[in-house]
Amino acid sequence: RKEVEQDPGPFNVPEGATVAFNCTYSNSASQSFFWYRQDCRKEPKLLMSVYSSGNEDGRFTAQLNRASQYISLLIRDSKLSDSATYLCVVKGGGYQKVTFGIGTKLQVIP
Amino acid sequence: EAGVAQSPRYKIIEKRQSVAFWCNPISGHATLYWYQQILGQGPKLLIQFQNNGVVDDSQLPKDRFSAERLKGVDSTLKIQPAKLEDSAVYLCASSPPRTNTGELFFGEGSRLTVL
Repeated sequence: RKEVEQDPGPFNVPEGATVAFNCTYSNSASQSFFWYRQDCRKEPKLLMSVYSSGNEDGRFTAQLNRASQYISLLIRDSKLSDSATYLCVVKGGGYQKVTFGIGTKLQVIP
Repeated sequence: EAGVAQSPRYKIIEKRQSVAFWCNPISGHATLYWYQQILGQGPKLLIQFQNNGVVDDSQLPKDRFSAERLKGVDSTLKIQPAKLEDSAVYLCASSPPRTNTGELFFGEGSRLTVL
């Protein structure tokens, strides 16, 4: 089983739509969780951290379910500029290893 | 503040040749990571340094890959001899000590093509 699993997509959605991405992780000892965004041929950049209580940043909402080892990202009112790959990231273990999922590709269509 | 610097940005070599990539992290960042990102996949951790010590190199193909961070600042990743499957972007990232956000700061990457 992969340490971090994501549906690679692509998710093709119209502008203004709401889209949700999910991610599961295998190590129950993982401590920190994040979503990164990666534009085509660019480096990954932190989008937001993920907390059990849920957190929101504008149109983006992230949620963590530790019991199910499941992370989600919700994007409301999708913009063309949201088109990118969204990487689920898990940190933890003895050396605070940072593990990336394969990424979910989002294409927002006019 | 200067970001993570990497060079070269692009490199094309023949299989069985060698190549080296250089990374200079953000000043004061104790942790340095090298990731390999093959097209269509997520970044895969090759090696993680804490200051000048290796804390995780479990996924580094040690028969051909080596990395060092001698003075706890910049780092070099070497591949010798290269194989076709080493074609990828090699991403260097750094993070500050005792960070609560867990944010990694990435360089622009070094894109390797092995022919």
